Amino acid sequence: DIVMTQSPDSLAVSLGERATINCKSSQTVLYSSNNKNYLSWYQQKPGQPPKLLIYWASTRESGVPDRFSGSGSGTDFTLTISSLEAEDVAVYYCQQYFSTPYTFGQGTKLEIK
Amino acid sequence: EVLLVESGGGLVQPGGSLRLSCAASGFTFSNYWMHWVRLGPGKGLEWVSRLNSDGSMTDYADSVKGRFTISRDNAKNTLYLQVSSLRAEDTAVYYCARAYGSGNSALSNWGQGTRVTVSS
Repeated sequence: DIVMTQSPDSLAVSLGERATINCKSSQTVLYSSNNKNYLSWYQQKPGQPPKLLIYWASTRESGVPDRFSGSGSGTDFTLTISSLEAEDVAVYYCQQYFSTPYTFGQGTKLEIK
Repeated sequence: EVLLVESGGGLVQPGGSLRLSCAASGFTFSNYWMHWVRLGPGKGLEWVSRLNSDGSMTDYADSVKGRFTISRDNAKNTLYLQVSSLRAEDTAVYYCARAYGSGNSALSNWGQGTRVTVSS
């Protein structure tokens, strides 16, 4: 199974500042035949279901604010929130869909400093 | 608008069974692969199972293999998860999710979840 490891486990950032969450996979999630990284990011607020933010490592889902961006390739990925807003307080998860079982990172709790 | 509504959760004793349902609307259900994902108390998200569009191909997490069965009724636009031989560690909110496309793809739409509590 591919193990996904996020860092940090929790993060406190001031409003308007940048937040960066890292995700590392135990093996590559880059499929060489189509050059796509099978990596997605989700946001989950308390009492709500997860919401897809980013797929193919860097493609923003429709309706997601452009302050959210994804980057990386192979085994190392990053979710960046360029200017934190109060509504961004949530737990963020990366997930690989390169192979089953699909696996999630342990989650990163983002709070306001 | 894509809508996924889960039901069937509840309190069940260890060793018991439940059938979870996910009613889908707002899209052509029979065209999409579907998944179940759970969130245990104090834990992170755990992928549980997936099913292809015509119901002929399934995959399961090792933690549920042999105990859970995913299925669908495309005529009723409904996804199911039969959960059996339940353990305390199966306590979780169970979400159904629609895949973005066929094959290996991200999970684009999620239901609100149904809670399963395994306790004596």
